[in-house]
Amino acid sequence: GIQVEQSPPDLILQEGANSTLRCNFSDSVNNLQWFHQNPWGQLINLFYIPSGTKQNGRLSATTVATERYSLLYISSSQTTDSGVYFCAVRPSNTGKLIFGQGTTLQVKP
Amino acid sequence: ETGVTQTPRHLVMGMTNKKSLKCEQHLGHNAMYWYKQSAKKPLELMFVYSLEERVENNSVPSRFSPECPNSSHLFLHLHTLQPEDSALYLCASSQDPAWGDEQFFGPGTRLTVL
Repeated sequence: GIQVEQSPPDLILQEGANSTLRCNFSDSVNNLQWFHQNPWGQLINLFYIPSGTKQNGRLSATTVATERYSLLYISSSQTTDSGVYFCAVRPSNTGKLIFGQGTTLQVKP
Repeated sequence: ETGVTQTPRHLVMGMTNKKSLKCEQHLGHNAMYWYKQSAKKPLELMFVYSLEERVENNSVPSRFSPECPNSSHLFLHLHTLQPEDSALYLCASSQDPAWGDEQFFGPGTRLTVL
């Protein structure tokens, strides 16, 4: 089956710093989503981005489907950005959403 | 608030108990999903329902029994669970599972099996 790899697994930032999270996937997909999981377990939708570039405030994302990767950019990080960031993909031949292992982000004041 | 609600938020049960998890979506979607998130593991899809019909069962043990009475409600009936079933159970919904559309998640039920 498709493999989804996220990097780095853990990231510690000082407040105000910028960061880039990466998601690589091993096969073609027709859906890619980025989520932020807060400490209570809620998955918050950040981007639905099967291809192209989107921006929402301090966050932006780019998916290059032909090269099978997506990037999540966080600028001017805040302590409230702390949590786990998941990339999830839907392979073209199935209805499953396959999740990566996540990147755990800690932003220090 | 994502438009998907789950109850209860926390549940502790013994291995001989029977309990049910409830999910409700207020988004007018046609598809609903159950996922399991165990510690140190990625989210795993359990079941997919489209228009109240089960379209995918991801090799889940029979002690987990889903029910979808209508397109807005999804249940997960639990019986004779094992301690290793302790996990966060997440419900999601989307417009149509066949088109790779965006999924929205509920807050989850944190289950502990003693």
